[in-house]
Amino acid sequence: DGGITQSPKYLFRKEGQNVTLSCEQNLNHDAMYWYRQDPGQGLRLIYYSQIVNDFQKGDIAEGYSVSREKKESFPLTVTSAQKNPTAFYLCASNPLTPGIRNTIYFGEGSWLTVV
Amino acid sequence: KNQVEQSPQSLIILEGKNCTLQCNYTVSPFSNLRWYKQDTGRGPVSLTIMTFSENTKSNGRYTATLDADTKQSSLHITASQLSDSASYICVVSGENTDKLIFGTGTRLQVFP
Repeated sequence: DGGITQSPKYLFRKEGQNVTLSCEQNLNHDAMYWYRQDPGQGLRLIYYSQIVNDFQKGDIAEGYSVSREKKESFPLTVTSAQKNPTAFYLCASNPLTPGIRNTIYFGEGSWLTVV
Repeated sequence: KNQVEQSPQSLIILEGKNCTLQCNYTVSPFSNLRWYKQDTGRGPVSLTIMTFSENTKSNGRYTATLDADTKQSSLHITASQLSDSASYICVVSGENTDKLIFGTGTRLQVFP
């Protein structure tokens, strides 16, 4: 089936450790995004990429890093510099075809808890 | 500042009843508005996408309206079902950008 796969679904991390969240899509979409979702808040953009080997910071990029070595993959690393990393992380993709009706597709999310 | 505000924050209704969720935005210039449904612990799923020239769009029991002049949108759910229990998120994007502005969502609970 076509879609976006995030893994792991649940992850526990000790303070001071880096952790990488995986995001893979087989939709052949050009753009990929990482969002963070906290209770009572809207989704906030961490990083996005519109083409392989290129990515831009979103609104809350501090303490995070990404790579886009392949079109279908956009892993997110939560580093020890992220002060409050416990959250629900969502990966998304967008075909970026001409026009304004592009649907943004989301993965199922990853829960990260710092213990 | 570009913002999207949703109301109510939460809503409880009985199965079979109708309900309407509101979304007000200040994004300008406006390009399109989307409604998403998000089940607890899952990723959001698209319900509708509307441009400034569209007033109404339906997807099954979900009907979205848009008034681009007053910058307001609503999502009407008809004959609610238990499976409608979820958060409903309004998302707006501006012209010449693919950046999305997310509302904080309305949490709907449908009880039997």
